[in-house]
Amino acid sequence: DAGITQSPRHKVTETGTPVTLRCHQTENHRYMYWYRQDPGHGLRLIHYSYGVKDTDKGEVSDGYSVSRSKTEDFLLTLESATSSQTSVYFCAISEPSSGRETQYFGPGTRLLVL
Amino acid sequence: SQQGEEDPQALSIQEGENATMNCSYKTSINNLQWYRQNSGRGLVHLILIRSNEREKHSGRLRVTLDTSKKSSSLLITASRAADTASYFCATDMQGGSEKLVFGKGTKLTVNP
Repeated sequence: DAGITQSPRHKVTETGTPVTLRCHQTENHRYMYWYRQDPGHGLRLIHYSYGVKDTDKGEVSDGYSVSRSKTEDFLLTLESATSSQTSVYFCAISEPSSGRETQYFGPGTRLLVL
Repeated sequence: SQQGEEDPQALSIQEGENATMNCSYKTSINNLQWYRQNSGRGLVHLILIRSNEREKHSGRLRVTLDTSKKSSSLLITASRAADTASYFCATDMQGGSEKLVFGKGTKLTVNP
C-alpha cells in the first residue's frame, strides 16, 4: 500500500463546529487531493495541492479550506460544519509530472455532522 | 460535473462469468483509468489506458478505449467472488493529467 494515512478515521461532530482532517504521506509525491464520496455522486474533488503552499479549488470547494505547510501533510478544514458535509472523505496522492498519473488513495475518514 | 459515466450502475453475475462495465465521457482526454473500491475502503488503481491506445490487458482485466465514441469498457474475465466491489472510471482533461474526474461507479456483485 502507498504510505498514506488519514486521521481521524471516524468523527462525529455538531453543526457549526470546526473540523480538521489530516492526510499524511510518506511517498514524497508532489500532488495531494481531497475528495468526498456520497451515494449517487461518486467521488468529487474538493481541493488539491501541487506543492507546499500551492493549492487550488476543485469541483465542490465551498465550505472547505486546505493548507499544506509540508510536503507530507495536507489538511482539510471545515470552518463551520454543516449536515450537508456528512460524507466519506478520501485523500489521494500522485506524481503526474513523472509520467505516472495514477492516484493512490488513503483509507478514508467518515464524518457525521449532527 | 461528472466527466465519466459508468454503465450499468449495478451488475450481478455468477462466479466464472465475465463482467463488462462501460464508461462514457464528454471531452477529449489524455488517458482514462479504472479504479476498484471494496466496501468501506479507499480506491485502488487497476489500469490506465492512454488516448493513443485502443486496448490494454492486465491479468484478467481487459480495457478498451474508443476515443471517437468517447467510451471505454472494462472486462473482467472468469470472475471470482473476491471481485465483488465498485468500479470507477476516471478521466483527466487533455490540458493536463494532474486532476481526475471520476464517474459514479458500477457496483459489481459476483455470487459464489
